[in-house]
Amino acid sequence: AQSVTQPDIHITVSEGASLELRCNYSYGATPYLFWYVQSPGQGLQLLLKYFSGDTLVQGIKGFEAEFKRSQSSFNLRKPSVHWSDAAEYFCAVTTYNFNKFYFGSGTKLNVKP
Amino acid sequence: DTGVSQNPRHKITKRGQNVTFRCDPISEHNRLYWYRQTLGQGPEFLTYFQNEAQLEKSRLLSDRFSAERPKGSFSTLEIQRTEQGDSAMYLCASSSHRGTGELFFGEGSRLTVL
Repeated sequence: AQSVTQPDIHITVSEGASLELRCNYSYGATPYLFWYVQSPGQGLQLLLKYFSGDTLVQGIKGFEAEFKRSQSSFNLRKPSVHWSDAAEYFCAVTTYNFNKFYFGSGTKLNVKP
Repeated sequence: DTGVSQNPRHKITKRGQNVTFRCDPISEHNRLYWYRQTLGQGPEFLTYFQNEAQLEKSRLLSDRFSAERPKGSFSTLEIQRTEQGDSAMYLCASSSHRGTGELFFGEGSRLTVL
């Protein structure tokens, strides 16, 4: 069965500190992987995606993610967190036809001043 | 391009009533998705349209739920005989036929069933 696991429900980091949000997936076919961010009262917005090729992908707002097939992981990172990064982050997986996307349960990020 | 629009933004109804939500996708997008999100959970897939054809429907979706996209533009999601467990945020997303995979989400329609 297809699934996405985000083990951390809440994470708190200090402004300026580095961040890593974990995502593990289970998918029978070749996975197409995404990270979305949801700020309060706003729709989900795409941060970055991985289809193939270089396993380190860059996204918007200074985020990057690394695909590790051997670990079935697609972790999101940012070297220096800003207060405006406080939001909820969702990892998602689909396959080549984009007919159905599976989302993780999300990680809520708090940023301490 | 005004993005994905969903109406109404909030709906409060009594158990047993029917409700309908509308989604207007980005105009050139032929892919349209409905998701449901409850507190503390990620979006849960409900159904997918390519143009007017409903190509995917979640097996979790009961017969009380129906969705349409009659002319391949806007879509409606109807819930009949609402139950308290239907209380959730209903999200609509659209995507281009070009296969970029990027979903553009609306702000959602929040349903509260009393």
